[in-house]
Amino acid sequence: GAGVSQSPSNKVTEKGKDVELRCDPISGHTALYWYRQRLGQGLEFLIYFQGNSAPDKSGLPSDRFSAERTGESVSTLTIQRTQQEDSAVYLCASSLDATGEFYGYTFGSGTRLTVV
Amino acid sequence: AQKVTQAQTEISVVEKEDVTLDCVYETRDTTYYLFWYKQPPSGELVFLIRRNSFDEQNEISGRYSWNFQKSTSSFNFTITASQVVDSAVYFCALSEPYNTDKLIFGTGTRLQVFP
Repeated sequence: GAGVSQSPSNKVTEKGKDVELRCDPISGHTALYWYRQRLGQGLEFLIYFQGNSAPDKSGLPSDRFSAERTGESVSTLTIQRTQQEDSAVYLCASSLDATGEFYGYTFGSGTRLTVV
Repeated sequence: AQKVTQAQTEISVVEKEDVTLDCVYETRDTTYYLFWYKQPPSGELVFLIRRNSFDEQNEISGRYSWNFQKSTSSFNFTITASQVVDSAVYFCALSEPYNTDKLIFGTGTRLQVFP
């Protein structure tokens, strides 16, 4: 597609439930990133994919968080047993390549997750 | 460790005023990239500029200008003759090049431009 697409745009879930957030990157973008933005805060890096592998997962806050990418395209971020502190906007971004010259990312509009 | 500091959490100006958003960074890399992104109320981050650490020339794009000073590790952003549509949160970011290109973001500066 023309841009990075994320779904759902909003998600309200009960504490303890699992949620799945989806990201469709720009076609042909091999690098994909997930970031989290808590209310009034900057963006925190979660995980980076190059193709279908994730060489950097250093930002995942706990083992309740996992992500996968298939077909060098769609990525899913899964949060198990959600907690109230997981409430945030989850942003996905993609870029053409993560090596060599780097021109920055294109971000999606994010998924606003609210855990009640 | 790499770090980006945006000390101004919120700035309010009246339309047509000039405003400068500060960004100070820390890195041990000799090669790095600096970015500014705009996040309007809609939430989507909009890329504004990318600057290579070897290029210290200041840049102007319309009403926007950027002042990169390696000596003070600063990459400040000035909006001239601000407009209501400039109201947004602005993020400065630093990348780890030749690795994952992970971006390290500052906490952002909320700019409100009043008519």
